[in-house]
Amino acid sequence: QMQLQESGPGLVKPSETLTLTCNVSGGSIDGSTNYWAWIRQPPGKGLEWLGSIYYSGSPYYNPSLKSRITISVDTSKNQFSLSLTSMTATDTAVYYCVASERFWGQGTLVTVSS
Amino acid sequence: IQMTQSPSSLSASVGDRVTITCRASQAINTYLNWFHQKAGKAPKLLINDASILEAGVPSRFSGSGSGTYFTFTISSLQPEDLGTYYCQQDDTLPWTFGQGTRVEIK
Repeated sequence: QMQLQESGPGLVKPSETLTLTCNVSGGSIDGSTNYWAWIRQPPGKGLEWLGSIYYSGSPYYNPSLKSRITISVDTSKNQFSLSLTSMTATDTAVYYCVASERFWGQGTLVTVSS
Repeated sequence: IQMTQSPSSLSASVGDRVTITCRASQAINTYLNWFHQKAGKAPKLLINDASILEAGVPSRFSGSGSGTYFTFTISSLQPEDLGTYYCQQDDTLPWTFGQGTRVEIK
């Protein structure tokens, strides 16, 4: 059974860059047909897909994030990462890493505040 | 693609049949998933490709539809079914979710 675990800061200052990492266990990030995604959920609100990547392909991003987002894969560590620049209060959310919509991390709350 | 769920919330008794609808702003074939989220937890995939039940998901859950109109049904509501249900299309990027349907137990 594949398991995912997010790690990163719980508090980010406005204008800073958020970097989250998702550790994948129970499966190889480069040995499967899974795609790896980041989804977030502002407190009390719905779900927003941020972007996805296959280990061997190009990432796909939500246009709403314009050029702020980068998703990458590190096969040596069996991890994938999210980078989101120019953080504002509207980016406050629980961030989930997801494998093929089927396996989800527990989520990590990121608060943007000075 | 905009996904619109109905109703936004509902309250039903244990044993009731519950149906949620999801409409897509354009045709998405059957590229439609249903998730269940309990408070404070990550969403769980219940149904993919509009009608395919995920392994281990109870058979009281079902889904149907194609194109722009989809339904999700719980044939006999159980106490553990409370929470919020989301539809999601993965036909066209960016993938998008419905706003959610909150299910409460009377």
